[in-house]
Amino acid sequence: AQSVTQLDSQVPVFEEAPVELRCNYSSSVSVYLFWYVQYPNQGLQLLLKYLSGSTLVKGINGFEAEFNKSQTSFHLRKPSVHISDTAEYFCAVSEGGATNKLIFGTGTLLAVQP
Amino acid sequence: GAGVSQSPSNKVTEKGKDVELRCDPISGHTALYWYRQSLGQGLEFLIYFQGNSAPDKSGLPSDRFSAERTGGSVSTLTIQRTQQEDSAVYLCASSLGTGGNTIYFGEGSWLTVV
Repeated sequence: AQSVTQLDSQVPVFEEAPVELRCNYSSSVSVYLFWYVQYPNQGLQLLLKYLSGSTLVKGINGFEAEFNKSQTSFHLRKPSVHISDTAEYFCAVSEGGATNKLIFGTGTLLAVQP
Repeated sequence: GAGVSQSPSNKVTEKGKDVELRCDPISGHTALYWYRQSLGQGLEFLIYFQGNSAPDKSGLPSDRFSAERTGGSVSTLTIQRTQQEDSAVYLCASSLGTGGNTIYFGEGSWLTVV
């Protein structure tokens, strides 16, 4: 069975500082990997996804993530954060196949301080 | 429509009553998903539809929960004899198909059982 671990429940960071949100997954087969963002009182919005090919994936709002198969990780990074990046970030894995359903991690709250 | 639409956005119901939550997926999306988001449980997969059939309903927590989809479009999630532990945000999502296609989420229906 698949699972996703987001080690940090909350990450405080100052504005314009770099940030990395960690995500590790477990699966017995090849997977697709996703990062979603949820702003307060809103639904989930896709930031980026990895399906195949280049292990460095660029997404919206200046975020990027790197797929590392040997470490089963898909960490999310941004070189310089803004106050507006304050939100909950969810890592998710899918085995594709017949259902394509996403299995989510527990989320990381990114709290950007001025 | 432009996005996944859910109604009602908020619902307060008395314990023991039945509730129905509606989802309008993005036009042309054949895959439809229901998730539940609650404090302490994170994002849980409930059920997946491909067209009008549900090949994966493994996440439904009990037989009080059921869902249907008609015309390959609108879906209704029904919770019978609601309990306080059913209080959560119910998120609907849709995608063009499987195999890593992006899953788009609605803003959710916030259910409070009193």
